[in-house]
Order: sequence, then structure tokens, then C-alpha cells
Amino acid sequence: DTAVSQTPKYLVTQMGNDKSIKCEQNLGHDTMYWYKQDSKKFLKIMFSYNNKELIINETVPNRFSPKSPDKAHLNLHINSLELGDSAVYFCASSQDAGASMAMADTQYFGPGTRLTVL
Amino acid sequence: QKEVEQDPGPLSVPEGAIVSLNCTYSNSAFQYFMWYRQYSRKGPELLMYTYSSGNKEDGRFTAQVDKSSKYISLFIRDSQPSDSATYLCAMSESGGGADGLTFGKGTHLIIQP
Repeated sequence: DTAVSQTPKYLVTQMGNDKSIKCEQNLGHDTMYWYKQDSKKFLKIMFSYNNKELIINETVPNRFSPKSPDKAHLNLHINSLELGDSAVYFCASSQDAGASMAMADTQYFGPGTRLTVL
Repeated sequence: QKEVEQDPGPLSVPEGAIVSLNCTYSNSAFQYFMWYRQYSRKGPELLMYTYSSGNKEDGRFTAQVDKSSKYISLFIRDSQPSDSATYLCAMSESGGGADGLTFGKGTHLIIQP
């Protein structure tokens, strides 16, 4: 009954490869996010997405692309992986703002995917 | 200047002590303030949520926001070893959440038994 789940938990790959990380939420939330946490534990937003709008952090390279097959899933595709992409990637979700302002920012995080690029 | 400043610690205190964790920020448009707790190799979990200035209490935890000083605090009373974790402050401009949260770097807290 995990609220936000991610697969895989660990991912080790070579530079130049293309990989995907999957995220699923069973909370009925409308908005999903991807965050990157670097080696210094700094957590930074990469994307937010609902069925209406994709907001991209301008610092994210276009090698990263979110894909949402449906409201409960937001996958992260990464092309041409680089050493600097090594980090922990967290998926999160929140309820739509229309329901409650207080709920809208209550983001629930997945357990993270630890990506290591060799 | 970074948007959200937070002392990374580590902060080590004996069990039972009162812990004070703080963040400062520069963006006066922030209105929603949160504290997350993150255990090692786990995702962040929401502890406290506050809108605008004021105090909010939940059990042993108290969150304070002073928008005039651009300063937020989290107090933990009667600290327990299980409180040992990294505490992240987070904030946003809009309640819609579409712009995501801006996090501090986190303070690593150690409660000594």
C-alpha cells in the first residue's frame, strides 16, 4: 500500500547510456514531481507535471524528459548519461490546488532511486 | 545568494534536549513553509506545514515563521534518538505547488542516548 513508489531503487550504468526511472502514486493526486538530490544532499526540483501543464526547471538539461502515460505515473527518461548525473532521484506527488491550498503543497515523496554513472 | 540557507550541521545534542533548527530565505514571495524529515537512504516525509507568519504546534514539534525577518524555525522538545535524521526546510510561493518546493540543504541532527 505504498503511496509513492519508484523503480528501480538502485541503478548503475555506463556513461552514454539511456535509462528510465519509473514512478507511480496511488494517492489520486493530480500533480507529480521529479527532484534530484546531489552528493551534498541538496534537493532540487526538476519537473512538475499535471494533466494540464509541464513545468521544467530551466537548469535541467534537455537530456532529461518526463513522460506520463496516465495520471498515476510519471517516468523520467535520461539520454546520454553523464558522470554528473549520479545522484538520488526522488519522485513526489501532491493534490491539485483546487482541492485545498493547504493540501496542494503537501508533497509525498517516494523512496528514491540511487543512480550511479560509471 | 542562495534562496534558502540552512546550516548543514551536524548538530549533536543529548537525549531530552530542546532542539532548534532554522532557515533563512531571500524570496519575499514565499508564503508556504514546510519542514521535512529525511532518514538515511529514505525519501523526505512531511513534518510540519505553515502558511504565512505564525506558530504551529504538533506534539513535540513547533514550527515558527517570521516573514518580516525571512526566518523560519523548527523546535523539537524532549528529543529522542529516533529524531536523529536530516531536517529539510522547504518553501513555495503559491499554494498550487506547480512550481515545486525550494529546499534548504538540510541539517543533520544527532540525538545522543
